[in-house]
Amino acid sequence: GAVVSQHPSRVICKSGTSVKIECRSLDFQATTMFWYRQFPKQSLMLMATSNEGSKATYEQGVEKDKFLINHASLTLSTLTVTSAHPEDSSFYICSARSLGQGALRETQYFGPGTRLLVL
Amino acid sequence: KNEVEQSPQNLTAQEGEFITINCSYSVGISALHWLQQHPGGGIVSLFMLSSGKKKHGRLIATINIQEKHSSLHITASHPRDSAVYICAVRIIKTAGNKLTFGGGTRVLVKP
Repeated sequence: GAVVSQHPSRVICKSGTSVKIECRSLDFQATTMFWYRQFPKQSLMLMATSNEGSKATYEQGVEKDKFLINHASLTLSTLTVTSAHPEDSSFYICSARSLGQGALRETQYFGPGTRLLVL
Repeated sequence: KNEVEQSPQNLTAQEGEFITINCSYSVGISALHWLQQHPGGGIVSLFMLSSGKKKHGRLIATINIQEKHSSLHITASHPRDSAVYICAVRIIKTAGNKLTFGGGTRVLVKP
């Protein structure tokens, strides 16, 4: 079953508003979560690495003031797209790294994604 | 040149056929993942490999570290196997355990 959830699964917002996307690890504690962006028919692009209790590490070209990441607990990371514009419309995916605790194997588990449309 | 290359980019098969997807990489890695992304967008981690071979149901993944090559095989393919299959590697000495992704292989299995 799914071990990483994302909320919402789909969101439509007006240009200029902010949108928050949540990523939760359901069955394990994730010290590291990753946020990806995917455009149609393209592969995933890593935006940032989110570490619990510390500042996120952003990839080159990703504006940290535009894409705010908070990883306040071992099971929750949030991505806030601030002052969204139509070009921010995309599919946002999070993943959480499991260290192989209990029945879970060591791997990255991916969330189902959030489709953002900015009008 | 991308660090991770997949082939083919697109593949169409008839139900029941044996499918092979290839992944080549040009860097030293500590692990290789095979991921499946369905049309709805959700991604499932199929395998994580660092050596040898793994099997799960009709799926088999192999990796040759010396040749920097991995293959994903689907036996007795079924229309529900239609998806994009993505190879991703964890490059040695990459900070933060980041994955580097191949471009994906779009698989369509016709009934």
